[in-house]
Amino acid sequence: DAGITQSPRYKITETGRQVTLMCHQTWSHSYMFWYRQDLGHGLRLIYYSAAADITDKGEVPDGYVVSRSKTENFPLTLESATRSQTSVYFCASSQTTGGFLTDTQYFGPGTRLTVL
Amino acid sequence: KNQVEQSPQSLIILEGKNCTLQCNYTVSPFSNLRWYKQDTGRGPVSLTIMTFSENTKSNGRYTATLDADTKQSSLHITASQLSDSASYICVVTPRKSTASKLTFGTGTRLQVTL
Repeated sequence: DAGITQSPRYKITETGRQVTLMCHQTWSHSYMFWYRQDLGHGLRLIYYSAAADITDKGEVPDGYVVSRSKTENFPLTLESATRSQTSVYFCASSQTTGGFLTDTQYFGPGTRLTVL
Repeated sequence: KNQVEQSPQSLIILEGKNCTLQCNYTVSPFSNLRWYKQDTGRGPVSLTIMTFSENTKSNGRYTATLDADTKQSSLHITASQLSDSASYICVVTPRKSTASKLTFGTGTRLQVTL
């Protein structure tokens, strides 16, 4: 019962580099989400996906790119990392029935990203 | 702008004591309100979810209440344990919204001590 996993758990990179954070879920949930969590802010939605090949922007999408070719994977790419993208990133998924509005979101363990 | 405000920001209590965390929101109308527990270094885990028509929901020693008239929710923890030390996050979903409209509070950090 792997659930939802993220990799890497910790990442240090330099300004301007491309970074990809991976998210994998084993439940076949339709919806998947990427959030960032910073001190003084609640979790903020970056992007979400309702199904394979369907993605949409959240509250803070600038500087990020997502793709979803398979239901179980939802990678997040920082095309050219900036210091302001230093954060903890959480991936989440939810079941199909009722969609995210009524269903619980299950969160991964998070990736702590530091951009120097 | 829809907001979710949580209080207190942080709280320290002795093991075995009860405590109550508050969540005030401006989201209206809303579909549901959830409480999550987030242990340090981990992702949030759902504790309770209440629709706009529910007043209370329990999960073991955790009891959430909702007053839609005053737009307030509370999370009551009974007979606290050291393992209750965590951040507790309130999340409100507007009615007829998309995923981008979920509003997260900044959380209350609870520390339970001996």
